[in-house]
Amino acid sequence: DQQVKQNSPSLSVQEGRISILNCDYTNSMFDYFLWYKKYPAEGPTFLISISSIKDKNEDGRFTVFLNKSAKHLSLHIVPSQPGDSAVYFCAASVHNDMRFGAGTRLTVKP
Amino acid sequence: DTAVSQTPKYLVTQMGNDKSIKCEQNLGHDTMYWYKQDSKKFLKIMFSYNNKELIINETVPNRFSPKSPDKAHLNLHINSLELGDSAVYFCASSHVGQENTGELFFGEGSRLTVL
Repeated sequence: DQQVKQNSPSLSVQEGRISILNCDYTNSMFDYFLWYKKYPAEGPTFLISISSIKDKNEDGRFTVFLNKSAKHLSLHIVPSQPGDSAVYFCAASVHNDMRFGAGTRLTVKP
Repeated sequence: DTAVSQTPKYLVTQMGNDKSIKCEQNLGHDTMYWYKQDSKKFLKIMFSYNNKELIINETVPNRFSPKSPDKAHLNLHINSLELGDSAVYFCASSHVGQENTGELFFGEGSRLTVL
């Protein structure tokens, strides 16, 4: 029972363009949503988060949008850089219980 | 000076053996977790401990037994290993408070291969 879904296993964009990674969830009780970035042979590292009471959070090149009615969130990276190439995991949490999507592999081409 | 460290990083063993993976965090966090990343790359929560007490125990076979001797350590012991146990196991920690989202800090992962 996947409560957090990332339907695109991979995404390829050109350097300097926008990367948009999408995520859907099913549990309306989730109160925080997070994005993690993972390089090979490393653990995931926290990137950005958003509370369920907000619809947008921005941190430099990274912006997360939350649409609660659609149970959908997205991560925008602009401009994309080759160093952004990694697997991005969407996560959602409630009461210390954090659930992850399957990840989207982003490749940013120079 | 790794924040969340887990050992071993790689583990190859035969079916039926018993093995342990150790995890330590030096962040002063009160909650620790074990996640399993299977062949489909899903990160699935297995256990969560808060102040040495088990708070999340997902549907995991009884062969998996977590042990938390103190707040800074959460070890995972697996009995009678099966082929399907092959995966990357991630330890993580967090501190949940009013001023943070309880984001997880992950170790580098322990790749277990059961032959």
